[in-house]
Amino acid sequence: QKEVEQDPGPLSVPEGAIVSLNCTYSNSAFQYFMWYRQYSRKGPELLMYTYSSGNKEDGRFTAQVDKSSKYISLFIRDSQPSDSATYLCAMSGNSGGSNYKLTFGKGTLLTVNP
Amino acid sequence: DTAVSQTPKYLVTQMGNDKSIKCEQNLGHDTMYWYKQDSKKFLKIMFSYNNKELIINETVPNRFSPKSPDKAHLNLHINSLELGDSAVYFCASSARTSGGTGELFFGEGSRLTVL
Repeated sequence: QKEVEQDPGPLSVPEGAIVSLNCTYSNSAFQYFMWYRQYSRKGPELLMYTYSSGNKEDGRFTAQVDKSSKYISLFIRDSQPSDSATYLCAMSGNSGGSNYKLTFGKGTLLTVNP
Repeated sequence: DTAVSQTPKYLVTQMGNDKSIKCEQNLGHDTMYWYKQDSKKFLKIMFSYNNKELIINETVPNRFSPKSPDKAHLNLHINSLELGDSAVYFCASSARTSGGTGELFFGEGSRLTVL
């Protein structure tokens, strides 16, 4: 079983739709959870950063972490064509040794159609 | 003013050649990384340096040799290039925190094509 599993999609939705992106993981040491957005031919950029379980909201974006189920989600409300990109979940343990790295999911390619 | 810059952006070369990619960050971070992204967009860590010290060395062929001359620079040299080395190589940096890696800032990537 891979450490981080993410459905690669592709996912295609109409403008204005609510988008749900998910990842599961197997490493109980993961404490920090991130979502990165990567536009075509660009580097990934941080979208959301959460610690441990709970919800975090930023504008149209909401990140949820459920450590008991080892499951994280990103919701995008009122999706826009400019949201079309690959979304990568990423997670790390506490600093020190082999946990001091960010492990990524495979990314989900999202297209929002006008 | 670019935060994490990599050169070159594109490399096209023949099998068996040696090539280098350079990375510089002006964010004052103390940790730098090399990630490899394959054609299916999977980002996999290769190396990480903290204050010029190698702290992560994933299972990477020893044809790949990183070098960090100082905290702001991290280079990657690849010997005897193979077809399977074709990928986009991303440099990233972060500020070490009391927990977790902190936010990673990525460069634009160096797209390597081996013919």
